[in-house]
Amino acid sequence: DAGVIQSPRHEVTEMGQEVTLRCKPISGHNSLFWYRQTMMRGLELLIYFNNNVPIDDSGMPEDRFSAKMPNASFSTLKIQPSEPRDSAVYFCASRDDSFSGNTIYFGEGSWLTVV
Amino acid sequence: KNEVEQSPQNLTAQEGEFITINCSYSVGISALHWLQQHPGGGIVSLFMLSSGKKKHGRLIATINIQEKHSSLHITASHPRDSAVYICAVRGGAQKLVFGQGTRLTINP
Repeated sequence: DAGVIQSPRHEVTEMGQEVTLRCKPISGHNSLFWYRQTMMRGLELLIYFNNNVPIDDSGMPEDRFSAKMPNASFSTLKIQPSEPRDSAVYFCASRDDSFSGNTIYFGEGSWLTVV
Repeated sequence: KNEVEQSPQNLTAQEGEFITINCSYSVGISALHWLQQHPGGGIVSLFMLSSGKKKHGRLIATINIQEKHSSLHITASHPRDSAVYICAVRGGAQKLVFGQGTRLTINP
C-alpha cells in the first residue's frame, strides 16, 4: 500500500487566498484525522471522520476552516480566507477502527506558508 | 498542566549511549503511542501500547498504567536515531492527545 497520500507537499500562498489540502487514506481504513503542527502548539487534532462522517470537529480553529470527506478514499481541508497564522504543517492520518488495537498511519504532511 | 508531559524536551548524547525518554499522562487511556518524526519528514508510529512492554530492534517501550507513565528506550544509539519522539495517548474518544515531543540528537 502507498500509505496515506497528501497533496500538496508544500504550498506558499498570499493572505486571503483559499487553500485546499487533500488526503487519500490507506485503503480499508475507516477513520481519518486532520492534524496541525506548529512550533508553539505542537500537534493538534483539527477534525476526525469515521466512515466518512465528521465525529469530532472541536479542534477546527474557526469558520475559515472546513473539512469534507465525500467518500472513503478522499478528504479535503480548506482554509478560506487564509491568514499568516495558519502557516503550519498539516498532517492527515488514517486508521482501521473496525477492531481495536490498530495503529495510526500519518501522511508526509502538507507544509503551508501564508505570507 | 498539559495532559501529556514528556521529558526531557531536548536530549543530546554520543553514539552508543543508552537513551530513555519519559512520558507521563493525567487522563485515563486506552492506548499510548510513541511516534518518531525526522526533520522535514512525516510521522511514524513506532509503538502502540496498552500494557507491559514492546520491543522492536533497538527500541523498547514500556508502560505502567497504574502510574500513568511510559518510557521509550533506545539501546546502542546511532546518529540516524536523531529525531523528535512524540508520546500520544488515546482516551475514551478516538482522538490522540500529544506531548510536546523530545528532540533527540545523537552525535557520532
